[in-house]
Amino acid sequence: QAGLTQPPSVSNDLRQTATLTCTGNSNNVGNLGAAWLQQHQGHPPKLLSYRNNNRPSGISERFSASRSGNTASLTITGLQPEDEADYYCSAWDSSLSAVVFGGGTKLTVL
Amino acid sequence: QLQLQESGPGLVKASETLSLTCAVSGGSISNKNYYWGWIRQPPGKGLEWIGNIYYSGSTYYNPSLKSRVTISVDTSKNQFSLKLSSVTAADTAVYYCARLMQLDYWGQGTLVTVSS
Repeated sequence: QAGLTQPPSVSNDLRQTATLTCTGNSNNVGNLGAAWLQQHQGHPPKLLSYRNNNRPSGISERFSASRSGNTASLTITGLQPEDEADYYCSAWDSSLSAVVFGGGTKLTVL
Repeated sequence: QLQLQESGPGLVKASETLSLTCAVSGGSISNKNYYWGWIRQPPGKGLEWIGNIYYSGSTYYNPSLKSRVTISVDTSKNQFSLKLSSVTAADTAVYYCARLMQLDYWGQGTLVTVSS
């Protein structure tokens, strides 16, 4: 099953901005957009954004999602220690009729 | 507040069938706006989608697991279930149930270990 492509790791300094990317194709990210999930060790994933930039209630405005073509991005501003986690993107693939995930990006806050 | 809770054996012998149930509370599994699904995560690895089910019973499965997976729904009990047959050590993972396609509600996850 073809997945989405995410960089394995991203790091940036406290209070700076980090941008995570997720690349798919026209059948998934380029079609209906992507969801972004945050996962801390030992916990279930938590939805940050759905279909590009629909944030569930309670999610900080520091998390902002966007899409350009077949690539989705998650921008985290004002990095905090608690932002250190694994981040996954996900999308519905209309050609596979399947949910696809990225391999995840580990964000380190320096 | 919607809550999902996985239940089932934490240890399954190789070649046998893994069976898990996800109980949904605080909302109806018959809500026409949502699918319900299973996702797993092997230790130290990423997320893998297993499959979805709609309240009507229609399903989508991961092509790589399709021959071994059955997901069913019981609307009277507000729950849905997963069966994965002929398990091997590669099926050892934390299994999550979640509301799809939004992925906005997740269970806490349950670790299933396949023993030889």
